[in-house]
Amino acid sequence: EAGVAQSPRYKIIEKRQSVAFWCNPISGHATLYWYQQILGQGPKLLIQFQNNGVVDDSQLPKDRFSAERLKGVDSTLKIQPAKLEDSAVYLCASSLEEGPGGAQFFGPGTRLTVL
Amino acid sequence: GQQLNQSPQSMFIQEGEDVSMNCTSSSIFNTWLWYKQDPGEGPVLLIALYKAGELTSNGRLTAQFGITRKDSFLNISASIPSDVGIYFCAGLYGNNRLAFGKGNQVVVIP
Repeated sequence: EAGVAQSPRYKIIEKRQSVAFWCNPISGHATLYWYQQILGQGPKLLIQFQNNGVVDDSQLPKDRFSAERLKGVDSTLKIQPAKLEDSAVYLCASSLEEGPGGAQFFGPGTRLTVL
Repeated sequence: GQQLNQSPQSMFIQEGEDVSMNCTSSSIFNTWLWYKQDPGEGPVLLIALYKAGELTSNGRLTAQFGITRKDSFLNISASIPSDVGIYFCAGLYGNNRLAFGKGNQVVVIP
């Protein structure tokens, strides 16, 4: 079974530029999550989708971050404009809608550096 | 928000030794999960615990879900070099949301 796919793996941009990340979850997983992981910290949830609807985006900085999952499968996360403090690893995870305890499976992440 | 405390932050152990790490919270969780993260990779699920008091093993890993539902521990027996990495505990709350600890860095000395 293929895992969660993410691209790109690395991205370097200057502050005030825009950037987009892509995620393809495990086939059949209805729930998709985007996390931000700052160096030395655990992942922090940004947004949770169930199929193509947003379940929780309370921790998403909506003035600059946006995410969509239009067809309920793959998803994009965008930052516009980027700030220095956005430098982090952006992780995508997915889980079965009715999976055991909601165990989440993570992709390899996109490492973003904002200069 | 949900806060999980992991201790110690980093551990240096000799190959072959056992290592234990702890995770505590002021919040109650119905599911505890332990993940391992290698450099440049996403976290990989090691063990999931669904019931208070549950003790679960996965190879050389053993984890327990605390009776109070506010803590969990993970034990690695007979450590090997590939056990190097960051170990995160996570608690499941609300609508399938995870809160993570800050992680324990494990270094295995050959």
